[in-house]
Amino acid sequence: EAQVTQNPRYLITVTGKKLTVTCSQNMNHEYMSWYRQDPGLGLRQIYYSMNVEVTDKGDVPEGYKVSRKEKRNFPLILESPSPNQTSLYFCASSIDRNQPQHFGDGTRLSIL
Amino acid sequence: AQSVAQPEDQVNVAEGNPLTVKCTYSVSGNPYLFWYVQYPNRGLQFLLKYITGDNLVKGSYGFEAEFNKSQTSFHLKKPSALVSDSALYFCAVREIGDYKLSFGAGTTVTVRA
Repeated sequence: EAQVTQNPRYLITVTGKKLTVTCSQNMNHEYMSWYRQDPGLGLRQIYYSMNVEVTDKGDVPEGYKVSRKEKRNFPLILESPSPNQTSLYFCASSIDRNQPQHFGDGTRLSIL
Repeated sequence: AQSVAQPEDQVNVAEGNPLTVKCTYSVSGNPYLFWYVQYPNRGLQFLLKYITGDNLVKGSYGFEAEFNKSQTSFHLKKPSALVSDSALYFCAVREIGDYKLSFGAGTTVTVRA
């Protein structure tokens, strides 16, 4: 089954404790992206990747890092999480930037 | 810079009535436009897209959208709404040649029986 898998689905943690949210797709997609969803703001793009080893900033990259060492994986790293990063996060992938994206089911992060 | 506006936070319609969800966009050049739907506790699902060609685009579940370049709009429509269409709808835009995708704030649709 074609899918985008995010882990964990839920996480409660404390300020400053490094965390990684994993994202994996099994569709051999080139384009991958991370978004955060906040009430009243919709989805905002954090980072995107055009292919292996090629990443760039979206609209809200501050406080986040990403890497794309393999085509299928695109982890999101919060080196020193802060409460304003409490949000619902989505990973998405598509064959290329012009095609519709497939979304994971989301990761709800709470930073205390 | 590109942006999307969804002027209505909520749309309420009776089952069987037409449904319209509004979207306007702003880009420097030509746009790629998308509509997605989100059901509770799930990721977004693709409904339809406009890239080039016919201004009326047909998508999944009986939805369609009309691209209007002069009004910079891409409104989502369904002739006869179902209770199961109740969900959160997002419009998104990418400027041709760019990699970033910008979403609107979303419109919650409630279809009452």
